[in-house]
Amino acid sequence: DVKVTQSSRYLVKRTGEKVFLECVQDMDHENMFWYRQDPGLGLRLIYFSYDVKMKEKGDIPEGYSVSREKKERFSLILESASTNQTSMYLCASRLGLVQETQYFGPGTRLLVL
Amino acid sequence: AQKITQTQPGMFVQEKEAVTLDCTYDTSDPSYGLFWYKQPSSGEMIFLIYQGSYDQQNATEGRYSLNFQKARKSANLVISASQLGDSAMYFCAMRGLYSGAGSYQLTFGKGTKLSVIP
Repeated sequence: DVKVTQSSRYLVKRTGEKVFLECVQDMDHENMFWYRQDPGLGLRLIYFSYDVKMKEKGDIPEGYSVSREKKERFSLILESASTNQTSMYLCASRLGLVQETQYFGPGTRLLVL
Repeated sequence: AQKITQTQPGMFVQEKEAVTLDCTYDTSDPSYGLFWYKQPSSGEMIFLIYQGSYDQQNATEGRYSLNFQKARKSANLVISASQLGDSAMYFCAMRGLYSGAGSYQLTFGKGTKLSVIP
């Protein structure tokens, strides 16, 4: 069975803190993705990685960075959290074949105070 | 650029009845894939069904079927025999099927909230 896990379901941080969101997949997938989801705006792609140590910006990369040192792990980093980064963060992975779908983790609800 | 439109913010359906969730799309890609996801209140996005633009037949997965009309650029999800557990947000998504960075990204619609009434 496909499995994508995220380090936290709920997270509360203070403005200015450095925040790490971790995502792990156990399916040997090549591609991994980070989205944020906000009411009325749908899902928006922050960053993705098509291979280890490779990363590409999505639609809204500002204020975020990512790290992929190992194939199974993709980290999203908020260098200095701000209140407008309060959101639901969803990680996804995909095998890499052209037709393959993305499989999502359970999500992390982040509140920045 | 790709665009997905889901015009129904919310829908109600009686338990055991069928329901159709609308999705229209716009793309300049000659080959593309269309996806439907379900998101319960717990938050996880669950993959339901996939349709390739080159597929001759409409996709089906159990109680889910995709009514794909290429000329109309529509990819509606049909859920037969609705169950209480079907109450959730439903998202239509698409991406181009080709080599290159643009093919990695899924474009999502804003979703339809389905409520199943007992």
